[in-house]
Amino acid sequence: AQSVAQPEDQVNVAEGNPLTVKCTYSVSGNPYLFWYVQYPNRGLQFLLKYITGDNLVKGSYGFEAEFNKSQTSFHLKKPSALVSDSALYFCAVRDRGGTGGFKTIFGAGTRLFVKA
Amino acid sequence: EAQVTQNPRYLITVTGKKLTVTCSQNMNHEYMSWYRQDPGLGLRQIYYSMNVEVTDKGDVPEGYKVSRKEKRNFPLILESPSPNQTSLYFCASSQHGEGYTFGSGTRLTVV
Repeated sequence: AQSVAQPEDQVNVAEGNPLTVKCTYSVSGNPYLFWYVQYPNRGLQFLLKYITGDNLVKGSYGFEAEFNKSQTSFHLKKPSALVSDSALYFCAVRDRGGTGGFKTIFGAGTRLFVKA
Repeated sequence: EAQVTQNPRYLITVTGKKLTVTCSQNMNHEYMSWYRQDPGLGLRQIYYSMNVEVTDKGDVPEGYKVSRKEKRNFPLILESPSPNQTSLYFCASSQHGEGYTFGSGTRLTVV
């Protein structure tokens, strides 16, 4: 069965410093990996995805993520954090489901606080 | 504007009174899904659909039903709601291999 782990409930970082939000996954085949962000009182927004190809993928708002197959990880990164990046971040993995479809499983979420 | 529309945004109901949360997308996406969000548990998948008349259970399907009679619509039905179904619900759609577009969410309270 597929699973996603976000080992940190909360990450604190100072504005201007690099940030990393961690994600590890488990799937039976090749994964589709995603990051989403949820701002306070707003819906969920897609940030970036990894399907195949280059292990470093770039997404919205200056975020990027590194796929590491040997460590089954897909950590979210940003070189310089902004206060406005403070939000709840979700990692997700898509694997093949029951009727030939694709279940998408989300992690429990990591809350990012960026201090000015 | 490309979007997923959920209704209602807020709903308070009583135990046992059947309700339907509607979801519609205007992007011709094949893949649609329902999630519930609870504190500390992240998003848990209730049901998903790969195409018209093709649905499958997610991780927490008990107490819910769905249908996919048209490509654009994917309603979530609670035949007999219970207080443990109090939650924030999200509908989402995507094409294969793409990220989800989410609806704005439905906050359901069952008393």
